[in-house]
Amino acid sequence: GQQVMQIPQYQHVQEGEDFTTYCNSSTTLSNIQWYKQRPGGHPVFLIQLVKSGEVKKQKRLTFQFGEAKKNSSLHITATQTTDVGTYFCAGSSNTGKLIFGQGTTLQVKP
Amino acid sequence: GAVVSQHPSRVICKSGTSVKIECRSLDFQATTMFWYRQFPKKSLMLMATSNEGSKATYEQGVEKDKFLINHASLTLSTLTVTSAHPEDSSFYICSARMGHTDTQYFGPGTRLTVL
Repeated sequence: GQQVMQIPQYQHVQEGEDFTTYCNSSTTLSNIQWYKQRPGGHPVFLIQLVKSGEVKKQKRLTFQFGEAKKNSSLHITATQTTDVGTYFCAGSSNTGKLIFGQGTTLQVKP
Repeated sequence: GAVVSQHPSRVICKSGTSVKIECRSLDFQATTMFWYRQFPKKSLMLMATSNEGSKATYEQGVEKDKFLINHASLTLSTLTVTSAHPEDSSFYICSARMGHTDTQYFGPGTRLTVL
C-alpha cells in the first residue's frame, strides 16, 4: 500500500541553527500537508502544498513540494525553542485519506 | 474557525467495559471525519473514515466490531471502544474535513487507559 517515509526521526539542534525534515511517498500525491505536534498535544495544521514544484513560506518555515509530487521538505531557518515538537508530513491520495509520515521530532537547545 | 473538540480528553476504565469518545466540529459542517490512533512517540495510524449518514470505512486490520463508529450528523462522530482491554490503551484523535477540501482539522485527542 501507499507509504510515506519521513527522515530523520530525531534532530537535536542548537538554537539558531537550521533544521530540515524530508518526506518521500511511494506514490504520486494529490497534495501534501504538514502538521506540528507539541509534546502532549494534537497535530496542528501548518500548510498544504498542491502544485508540482510548489514552494511556500511561513516566516522562518519553508515548505517545498517536489516536481514529481512524491517528495516534500520542511526547512526551518534559525530555530528557536518554540519550534520544539514533532513535525509530520501527510500525503493525500485521490481517496482523500491522509497517510502520515513517521514524524521528525525536533529538540532545540537554548 | 475550524475548531474540532473531543470528549472526554482522558478516560480510565476497567478491562471489559466500553468507552465512547465524541468528536465534534464546532464551527463548520464536516461531511467526513477520521479516527486515528497514536502510540507514544509514534505516528498517527488511520483507523477509519466516517461519512455522515453512512457506514464507516475501516482500515485493514481494524476490527469494526470492536471500534464502533457512528456519524449521525454533520457535526458529530462517535467512536466506541467495546470490551476494552489494556492493549487498547492509546491516544485516539479525530479529525474533520470541511466540505470537499483536503485539509483535516484535528481534535485535541482522547487518552484512553484500560486497567
